[in-house]
Amino acid sequence: DTEVTQTPKHLVMGMTNKKSLKCEQHMGHRAMYWYKQKAKKPPELMFVYSYEKLSINESVPSRFSPECPNSSLLNLHLHALQPEDSALYLCASSQAPGATETQYFGPGTRLLVL
Amino acid sequence: AQSVAQPEDQVNVAEGNPLTVKCTYSVSGNPYLFWYVQYPNRGLQFLLKYITGDNLVKGSYGFEAEFNKSQTSFHLKKPSALVSDSALYFCAVRPFTGFQKLVFGTGTRLLVSP
Repeated sequence: DTEVTQTPKHLVMGMTNKKSLKCEQHMGHRAMYWYKQKAKKPPELMFVYSYEKLSINESVPSRFSPECPNSSLLNLHLHALQPEDSALYLCASSQAPGATETQYFGPGTRLLVL
Repeated sequence: AQSVAQPEDQVNVAEGNPLTVKCTYSVSGNPYLFWYVQYPNRGLQFLLKYITGDNLVKGSYGFEAEFNKSQTSFHLKKPSALVSDSALYFCAVRPFTGFQKLVFGTGTRLLVSP
């Protein structure tokens, strides 16, 4: 089983709202990732957690705040977003953070910021 | 810089015909290469990867890819296309440095006509 789940599937929020995206995997994977994908573009890495510690932040604005409460869960807290942040947010996980490891993606949360 | 290029925005093929989706890479060190497929409004599904060994890699749904070091290519192939193969295909590379990061090509839309 290589399932990564994400909730919610869709989210509409105003620029003053605070919301959170949730990602979960039960494969025992120890690396988890957040990607952002704009329409008709490839995914772009935002954050990487390795063994529940933040290991990569790709210079993401502070209005995005990741959190890894345990090895199965990954959250992305959103605050004061801009309309240009509207995108598909993808979560992924891999067994370990190594270069040969396969990343398995969830279905994504489609975010619309008004 | 580590990168992959997908020279075709779209590939059109008739059902039953062989298909090829092209990918070339530019990396220093050993290339770790991946293919993913994305159906509309969905996350990315892993198809196959090349780490080392045989140049012909077999993956999910009848897809395979050929690693060619001299031409720095990793083209995705399938002997007989299905209409259901119509989707967006991404080639990706894991850089030698920053190994946790997956860098995607721009994507190729495959359209299989009945």
